[in-house]
Amino acid sequence: KAGVTQTPRYLIKTRGQQVTLSCSPISGHRSVSWYQQTPGQGLQFLFEYFSETQRNKGNFPGRFSGRQFSNSRSEMNVSTLELGDSALYLCASSPKPSPGGYTFGSGTRLTVV
Amino acid sequence: AQSVTQPDIHITVSEGASLELRCNYSYGATPYLFWYVQSPGQGLQLLLKYFSGDTLVQGIKGFEAEFKRSQSSFNLRKPSVHWSDAAEYFCAVGEGSNFGNEKLTFGTGTRLTIIP
Repeated sequence: KAGVTQTPRYLIKTRGQQVTLSCSPISGHRSVSWYQQTPGQGLQFLFEYFSETQRNKGNFPGRFSGRQFSNSRSEMNVSTLELGDSALYLCASSPKPSPGGYTFGSGTRLTVV
Repeated sequence: AQSVTQPDIHITVSEGASLELRCNYSYGATPYLFWYVQSPGQGLQLLLKYFSGDTLVQGIKGFEAEFKRSQSSFNLRKPSVHWSDAAEYFCAVGEGSNFGNEKLTFGTGTRLTIIP
């Protein structure tokens, strides 16, 4: 059974650009959550999607957005990149919304230069 | 709002020695508690979780954790560590007693180093 797949694994972008990260959940999982991990702020919740609807959002600026498709795959987008957006972005999936019953992917390492 | 405190940033133990990683939480209702492990450059792997019931929870890789409501703690233990246990460990509390608000709040992590 394939795990949570995140693409790309590594990404380098220039300040001011935008970026899209992709997450394919485990087959049959309909809930997808995103987390940002940085050395300074640790692991922080970005947002959660279920059945193509954003159900919960963390305390991030509007430059951070996401969506979920009918096949449960999810993308997150960051516009007007700032140096502080450099982080490991982790996606997690679960069969349904659950306070922690998630399986995490290996993440996308975003570096903003 | 809920919060999680892991007071130990870095712990070093000898291979074969016992291990205890501390975690304290702040949450108004009955918490959902988790321990995750992260190897360098990797995602998070769930070690164990507590939702309710028996306060001593068994997890994978020989880990266990004990929920103590009176101390607001959920410490992770292992009787004998292996070199492969070297990693970063995160305690987390899950919010989600009300449908529509599920998310994890993580502690800052404890980096575990194993010496031969």
